[in-house]
Amino acid sequence: AQSVSQHNHHVILSEAASLELGCNYSYGGTVNLFWYVQYPGQHLQLLLKYFSGDPLVKGIKGFEAEFIKSKFSFNLRKPSVQWSDTAEYFCAVMDYKLSFGAGTTVTVRA
Amino acid sequence: EADIYQTPRYLVIGTGKKITLECSQTMGHDKMYWYQQDPGMELHLIHYSYGVNSTEKGDLSSESTVSRIRTEHFPLTLESARPSHTSQYLCASSEPGTSGRETQYFGPGTRLLVL
Repeated sequence: AQSVSQHNHHVILSEAASLELGCNYSYGGTVNLFWYVQYPGQHLQLLLKYFSGDPLVKGIKGFEAEFIKSKFSFNLRKPSVQWSDTAEYFCAVMDYKLSFGAGTTVTVRA
Repeated sequence: EADIYQTPRYLVIGTGKKITLECSQTMGHDKMYWYQQDPGMELHLIHYSYGVNSTEKGDLSSESTVSRIRTEHFPLTLESARPSHTSQYLCASSEPGTSGRETQYFGPGTRLLVL
């Protein structure tokens, strides 16, 4: 199964700052990629997913992610964060099963 | 998006008790999953089911058992709870799709504390 690495355990930033969260997976082949978000007190929600096609994927709430096959990466970005983006973000990779990274806690200060 | 319900949301129980964590979904999804998640850690798959009367163990060894008698219901049971079972348990289901392209949708989770 894939091993999924999320580079940052905790990110703290101010409103309007740009956000980039790194995600790498362990080996190539056909993979399907996901970012999930968990807001405080809420359940895991799908932010965006990549199956094929344009490697730049747009999701909900202004998030996007770029799949770079040669780097085994699927980094998440948002140009300008809001306080409401405070949450935990999980990268997940599916080949024959869904494997999750350990998550990145994002704290946005007003 | 699937509507997935888990009860109870929080459970504090003593060692040795039998518990059942309930999970139901209303979308008719065939595939359902149970994950275990400790704080600051990734989700680990402990059980999955591809349909009625189908259950399989996941990657993380677990003393829990599951059953799938109805499509919409996928309960998880611990016959004798122990402090090491303290964790968060997440249920998920996935919509039909080409293998590997199913999107999993998650319930709110059950936080279990075994004293």
